[in-house]
Formats: sequence, structure tokens, C-alpha cells
Amino acid sequence: NAGVTQTPKFRVLKTGQSMTLLCAQDMNHEYMYWYRQDPGMGLRLIHYSVGEGTTAKGEVPDGYNVSRLKKQNFLLGLESAAPSQTSVYFCASSPSGAGSEAFFGQGTRLTVV
Amino acid sequence: GQSLEQPSEVTAVEGAIVQINCTYQTSGFYGLSWYQQHDGGAPTFLSYNALDGLEETGRFSSFLSRSDSYGYLLLQELQMKDSASYFCAGFSGNTGKLIFGQGTTLQVKP
Repeated sequence: NAGVTQTPKFRVLKTGQSMTLLCAQDMNHEYMYWYRQDPGMGLRLIHYSVGEGTTAKGEVPDGYNVSRLKKQNFLLGLESAAPSQTSVYFCASSPSGAGSEAFFGQGTRLTVV
Repeated sequence: GQSLEQPSEVTAVEGAIVQINCTYQTSGFYGLSWYQQHDGGAPTFLSYNALDGLEETGRFSSFLSRSDSYGYLLLQELQMKDSASYFCAGFSGNTGKLIFGQGTTLQVKP
């Protein structure tokens, strides 16, 4: 049972380049989340999804887009990377949201130069 | 808006007891969760309080007071391996958002 898998684990981008981060979960969870973590800032919610085909904005959505075409996958896109998007990105999934344990991937360390 | 506030750092000695507080403002609040994160690794779930009162899981306990919009995580018999960051998180039933506090770094000293 793999749980939550994030791809890639590390990436260096040049300013203006685009990329897609993939999150895959094999637990049939309904809820999926993308967070970014910066020193001293905790985990900030970028976008989230409460089910297949649905997405919604979190606390810091600007500069990012997401898609949830399949229940098991949640993609995070950066159309034109900026140095301010240098961060560690975590994906999480949970069965039903309230009270249920959220399972996290191992993170993607992204540097934009 | 939604927000959760917790202290940035706490220091304690091995074997002691430490309490990490969390105050929150979350619309459609469904309960408070706690997560542990070691050295930037994946956060892991510790506990969840849906109702007022104390929940105990081994050396860790978590408390919630809905009327005070307040909760805490209590760690007993501290061990060096408990040195980590601890996050409170609130789930909004209105939106489905799971929002985290900024995290408390716990340093356990010998």
C-alpha cells in the first residue's frame, strides 16, 4: 500500500518555466489537498478538492492551477514559475475531511531560480 | 476568515510535561486535529477532538473547548524523539478546507 505518492521529489526551475506536480493516492479518498510550506509559515493551503471533478481555492491560490480528473490523482500546475514559489509542496488526502486522518506525501522540494 | 494561532517555539527537558496551545477562528468548525512533523518530513496525524474534553492516546493527550475556541496538545514523559514541529489543524464543514496553524517547534533537552 503506497499511500500518497508525490512526483517529482526535487525540481529546479528557471523563472517563467512551467511544471506540473503529481499527487497520487491509492486509498480511495475523497478529499485531497495541496499545501506549501515555507520556514516559519506552517502549511498553507493552495487548492483542494472534495471529490473527483471538483476543485476549490485555498488560502494562497495565486499562480497555481489544479485538476482532479481522476479520483486518485490531484495535479498542481505552475504556469509561469516565480522565485516566490520556491517552497516545499505537500499533498494530502483524507477519506471524508472532518475528523478523519489526513495522509501526507513525502513532499516536493521546488527551487525557482 | 479562518486562522489558527499557536506559539512558535517551546523548550522542555526530557521526562517533563509540555502543553502546546492553539486558538482558532474557523467557520463551520468541525473539530481540531494535531499533527507532528520531523525535520521537514511528511506530517503525521496524532489526534482529533470533535467534542469538548480530553482525548488520551498514550503519552499524548489533546483537549478542546469549543466555547473558548481553544485547544491544546499535552505531551507527557518527554523523550528526545519528541523534538519536532507540532501543528493544530481545523476542518471547516462549510467548505471542506483543512487549515493548519503555523506550527510549534518543540525542542527537548537532556
